[in-house]
Amino acid sequence: EIVLTQSPGTLSLSPGERATLSCRASQSVSSNYLAWFQQKPGQAPRLLIYGASSRATGIPDRVSGSGSGTDFTLTISRLETEDFAVYYCQQYGSSPYTFGQGTKLEIK
Amino acid sequence: QVQLVQSGAEVKKPGASVNVSCKTSGYIFTNNYMHWVRQAPGQGLEWMGIINPSGGGTSYEQKFQGRVTMTRDMSTSTIYMELSSLRSDDTAVYYCVRVGVSSSWYNWGQGTLVTVSS
Repeated sequence: EIVLTQSPGTLSLSPGERATLSCRASQSVSSNYLAWFQQKPGQAPRLLIYGASSRATGIPDRVSGSGSGTDFTLTISRLETEDFAVYYCQQYGSSPYTFGQGTKLEIK
Repeated sequence: QVQLVQSGAEVKKPGASVNVSCKTSGYIFTNNYMHWVRQAPGQGLEWMGIINPSGGGTSYEQKFQGRVTMTRDMSTSTIYMELSSLRSDDTAVYYCVRVGVSSSWYNWGQGTLVTVSS
């Protein structure tokens, strides 16, 4: 099983700042099948990035993903109030499919 | 557009079973694999298993083997997840998820809260 470790656990930033979230895998993620989800309270997760760097439909270009192998990054430039939420990385390249423990992005 | 509409909240006693449904629309039902994921209160996301709506084939996370059954009804484009021998730590929101472009987990149901309590 691939274990995903996200850092930091909580990130406190102000609107307009840049957020950098990290996801490290215990072994290489097959085909770079690494996704990022955003989740707000009481809502289902929302796909932001798939294939490590492809934006899902409707996701603004200030949201970007990068990385390969075992190290991946989600970057949100110019934070807006709607961006403050919990973010999960996920690998879907090999079963069992696993998620990171989440990073909470909160308003400073 | 693609819609995944799940059944309503359930309250069950320990040892009982629950059956959660996920009715799909807006696409060809047999074209996309479907997953089930759960999230305990205040916790992260946990994958439970996958079903191929075309042939009905399934694969379950080892943790749930023997307790979970995933099925589909092609006449109503609906998938089902039954979890048996419920325990208090099965209390969670259960989501169905449709696999989309490049195997990504594109569309999520709204979630079904299952509460296990005596």
